[in-house]
Amino acid sequence: DQQVKQNSPSLSVQEGRISILNCDYTNSMFDYFLWYKKYPAEGPTFLISISSIKDKNEDGRFTVFLNKSAKHLSLHIVPSQPGDSAVYFCAASGVSNSGYALNFGKGTSLLVTP
Amino acid sequence: ETGVTQTPRHLVMGMTNKKSLKCEQHLGHNAMYWYKQSAKKPLELMFVYSLEERVENNSVPSRFSPECPNSSHLFLHLHTLQPEDSALYLCASSQDPAGSKRDTQYFGPGTRLTVL
Repeated sequence: DQQVKQNSPSLSVQEGRISILNCDYTNSMFDYFLWYKKYPAEGPTFLISISSIKDKNEDGRFTVFLNKSAKHLSLHIVPSQPGDSAVYFCAASGVSNSGYALNFGKGTSLLVTP
Repeated sequence: ETGVTQTPRHLVMGMTNKKSLKCEQHLGHNAMYWYKQSAKKPLELMFVYSLEERVENNSVPSRFSPECPNSSHLFLHLHTLQPEDSALYLCASSQDPAGSKRDTQYFGPGTRLTVL
């Protein structure tokens, strides 16, 4: 059963506007969340993370918000740029048999149009 | 070379072939991972190596056989694969031994595997 869900497979945003990518999770034991960005023919690259003790983390144009009660996190990109067009994966770290393991969503494909 | 590298980038093989995927990390990390990404599915963790020992095997068929000869190298040996094994195979590494704490994983570019 999928524990990390990205319900929007795609999103299109105009350059300069805000992009909001959403992610929901079901496991209340998750306590560390990450966003990865993936271009075609490349592996995912780490973008930003947030620990469950925080509700917001900001890094330049990227901000991640965490709502633990709703088991929801979102990634805000502002202002959006054409180079931000990529697939964005949400991941959550939870306890597995070997300790912590990452659980990934299916990804949201973001297109930023000029 | 920097980061995490994977070879080959593309591989086409028949069901009776034997091939190997190679991953190398140049980050001094202590944990390495194999993931599978199939179309329209989330990344699936296959194997985890921590300090060169396998610590997790997520019910992966025996036709996939990992090997970690040292902390910088990870292999995935393939034999008698099925067409449904066609996917993008990603290698990742992380600083701390796997499972010791929350840690960011850094990915290679992947090997696009097609099984005919």
